[in-house]
Amino acid sequence: DQQVKQNSPSLSVQEGRISILNCDYTNSMFDYFLWYKKYPAEGPTFLISISSIKDKNEDGRFTVFLNKSAKHLSLHIVPSQPGDSAVYFCAATFNAGGTSYGKLTFGQGTILTVHP
Amino acid sequence: NAGVMQNPRHLVRRRGQEARLRCSPMKGHSHVYWYRQLPEEGLKFMVYLQKENIIDESGMPKERFSAEFPKEGPSILRIQQVVRGDSAAYFCASSPRPLLNNSPLHFGNGTRLTVT
Repeated sequence: DQQVKQNSPSLSVQEGRISILNCDYTNSMFDYFLWYKKYPAEGPTFLISISSIKDKNEDGRFTVFLNKSAKHLSLHIVPSQPGDSAVYFCAATFNAGGTSYGKLTFGQGTILTVHP
Repeated sequence: NAGVMQNPRHLVRRRGQEARLRCSPMKGHSHVYWYRQLPEEGLKFMVYLQKENIIDESGMPKERFSAEFPKEGPSILRIQQVVRGDSAAYFCASSPRPLLNNSPLHFGNGTRLTVT
């Protein structure tokens, strides 16, 4: 039961262009969504998040959009840089009682490659 | 990833041996979360612990796996009688209190377990 899905295993983008990574979810209970970036042999690094009371959150080159009716979120990176090449995971969570918001459900990840 | 320390970084065990993975949370953090990433998959929640208590172990396999977070010392994830399917990256995260919906989890760099 894949509650969070990233349907694109990989994405290739030219430096300076926009990267758009997509994520779909099925569980209506989710009310907090996060994007993590992961390099090989390292742990996931938090990038940006959004609460379900918002539809957009921006931090520098990174913007996350949330469409609750479609149960869809996306991460936009503008402009893309070669250093952004990594695996990107979206994750979702809700206040599951005792676990609070620490129980994240992750997508399978999208490998982003930014070419110079 | 700064602050949450995991060791060893790499662990090789033969089938049937025991694996012990350690996680030292960030200073002052009393809540620990363990996640597992199987090859080609996203991270999956395993267990959430507070000092001396298991709060949620809904993601733990029913047999051979156990976790503890004693009053003193690191959190330990223990896998008895390892099998090849246990080969994965195991990540730990910590927080000072139950997470709210504006507080992302921050992960350590993980332990990569290889079962031969």
